[in-house]
Amino acid sequence: DAGVIQSPRHEVTEMGQEVTLRCKPISGHDYLFWYRQTMMRGLELLIYFNNNVPIDDSGMPEDRFSAKMPNASFSTLKIQPSEPRDSAVYFCASSPVAWNEQFFGPGTRLTVL
Amino acid sequence: EDQVTQSPEALRLQEGESSSLNCSYTVSGLRGLFWYRQDPGKGPEFLFTLYSAGEEKEKERLKATLTKKESFLHITAPKPEDSATYLCAVHPVLPGGYQKVTFGIGTKLQVIP
Repeated sequence: DAGVIQSPRHEVTEMGQEVTLRCKPISGHDYLFWYRQTMMRGLELLIYFNNNVPIDDSGMPEDRFSAKMPNASFSTLKIQPSEPRDSAVYFCASSPVAWNEQFFGPGTRLTVL
Repeated sequence: EDQVTQSPEALRLQEGESSSLNCSYTVSGLRGLFWYRQDPGKGPEFLFTLYSAGEEKEKERLKATLTKKESFLHITAPKPEDSATYLCAVHPVLPGGYQKVTFGIGTKLQVIP
């Protein structure tokens, strides 16, 4: 298996623009997680899905953030409109069962100017 | 609120110089404590899961231990390839089967040849 795939790897955009991050989890994994990593706050869980259904989005910072999982092999995290403080590395991770080790993708480095 | 504190923030060791990294946690009920390794520009990679006080896990030069308040990652005779950031994460016990994970900021380890 290729592991968790994320795209793009790097994204530079201007304040106010819409940003869409993409993730393909490992096949057969029922859980998908979106994280944000910054130097100051470390890794923060934003939202997670179980069998394509959003379970807990309490970590989503604002209404500008939204996430979808239309099928078992694809998820998106959208920021609209983007702001400079959204600059961070965003990771997607998947897991085969609950409370298990998570398999992380390579991340998307987002820079909002 | 769950809290995870890792120390030191950074550690520089000579090759072969053994040491320990600390992860102190506060959680109402612990389902599991996880250690991950993160290399620059990559996503975290799973190392160990510990579930109960007194448990120990080993992998090559790494050994993780767990008490009711903290976990240690012992590194014996480290090599330069052990240089990375080591992350600790806790999964609390939550009602309704919800998942939540809190990560520490990490300890950046540098092993000098």
